[in-house]
Amino acid sequence: GAGVSQTPSNKVTEKGKYVELRCDPISGHTALYWYRQSLGQGPEFLIYFQGTGAADDSGLPNDRFFAVRPEGSVSTLKIQRTERGDSAMYLCASSWGEIGDTQYFGPGTRLTVL
Amino acid sequence: AQSVSQHNHHVILSEAASLELGCNYSYGGTVNLFWYVQYPGQHLQLLLKYFSGDPLVKGIKGFEAEFIKSKFSFNLRKPSVQWSDTAEYFCAGLNTNAGKSTFGDGTTLTVKP
Repeated sequence: GAGVSQTPSNKVTEKGKYVELRCDPISGHTALYWYRQSLGQGPEFLIYFQGTGAADDSGLPNDRFFAVRPEGSVSTLKIQRTERGDSAMYLCASSWGEIGDTQYFGPGTRLTVL
Repeated sequence: AQSVSQHNHHVILSEAASLELGCNYSYGGTVNLFWYVQYPGQHLQLLLKYFSGDPLVKGIKGFEAEFIKSKFSFNLRKPSVQWSDTAEYFCAGLNTNAGKSTFGDGTTLTVKP
């Protein structure tokens, strides 16, 4: 079956621009997670959705970052006024919904801010 | 604060050698622990996980990990590695009261044929 998909696979933008990163979870998965991974580091938690609501957004670094999941399926991570330090791999994962359920990761979106 | 640390950044082994990758965690409360693997060009995938019960957990591809509460450790082991085990390995912890996972910085394993 289809896994988690993320688009685009690569995004190059200029400092100060707005970007949207999309995640399509596995069908039926109610939990969705966003992570950011910088080179040489492990994934860093950003936000966790249970259904349509953000159950934990404590990992969002500042108010330039925002994520939505309006229908409880597809999610969009939005970054305003991008900075060079936002350059990283952005990973999405989904799971059936119980805390601790196996998370299935997507291929990620490589964001480069020039 | 929740944290996960992996001691080895890069490990190089010959085929058939035994493997042990270290992972230590610092958590308040109950924690679930995971090992993930990322093969070259592929997505992160789960190797094994510990929730409760038997502290020796067996995962896919012959990997196992032992939860030692007194040492705050969850080391990954494999008795005999293969060239195909070349990958990056991440240890992660999950606070059972929240959905937030904390990952270590990963260990790159290179197995020489």
